[in-house]
Amino acid sequence: NAGVMQNPRHLVRRRGQEARLRCSPMKGHSHVYWYRQLPEEGLKFMVYLQKENIIDESGMPKERFSAEFPKEGPSILRIQQVVRGDSAAYFCASSPVATKISEDYGYTFGSGTRLTVV
Amino acid sequence: GIQVEQSPPDLILQEGANSTLRCNFSDSVNNLQWFHQNPWGQLINLFYIPSGTKQNGRLSATTVATERYSLLYISSSQTTDSGVYFCAVPTTSGTYKYIFGTGTRLKVLA
Repeated sequence: NAGVMQNPRHLVRRRGQEARLRCSPMKGHSHVYWYRQLPEEGLKFMVYLQKENIIDESGMPKERFSAEFPKEGPSILRIQQVVRGDSAAYFCASSPVATKISEDYGYTFGSGTRLTVV
Repeated sequence: GIQVEQSPPDLILQEGANSTLRCNFSDSVNNLQWFHQNPWGQLINLFYIPSGTKQNGRLSATTVATERYSLLYISSSQTTDSGVYFCAVPTTSGTYKYIFGTGTRLKVLA
């Protein structure tokens, strides 16, 4: 099992460009969560998705950010017209079951994508 | 919402020393996880520990849910233990949504 795969590991974008971050969950996991870690801070929840559904986007900024998890392929976090304040590490986690976080069903995080906006 | 505080914020140890990291949370929780973020930024699951004590090699963790705290013990520390240690608990509104503490930044010197 390859674990949660995120790519790219590092992404540099100029202000105003678009950033696309990809997350492939662990095999057998159908629930995906995105978190953002600003420099020197802990992780903060952004969005929770199941296949073809956004379940909870309460942590997503209202503008420029969107997420999807299509029937086929990885989950995508898209940031349009990036600004310097978007520079952060973006982590994806997956689980087989959403409502029962336990030792068997706890979060597994990917290695993250470090976005730098110049 | 629930608040999660970790102490100390920074810790420097000589190799071989022991340490205790603390995580306080403001409301009752039904699970808690400890993570290690290594110097390369990777997040590694250490323990899922809603209550009781668990041990894994030189690391052990104890959660006293009724008193709303958890402790992570590191014994005989090694330079590879360096990094940031986070505890995380679910928000009261959804078990899938974790609140992370601000972390303890540990540096182990050779």
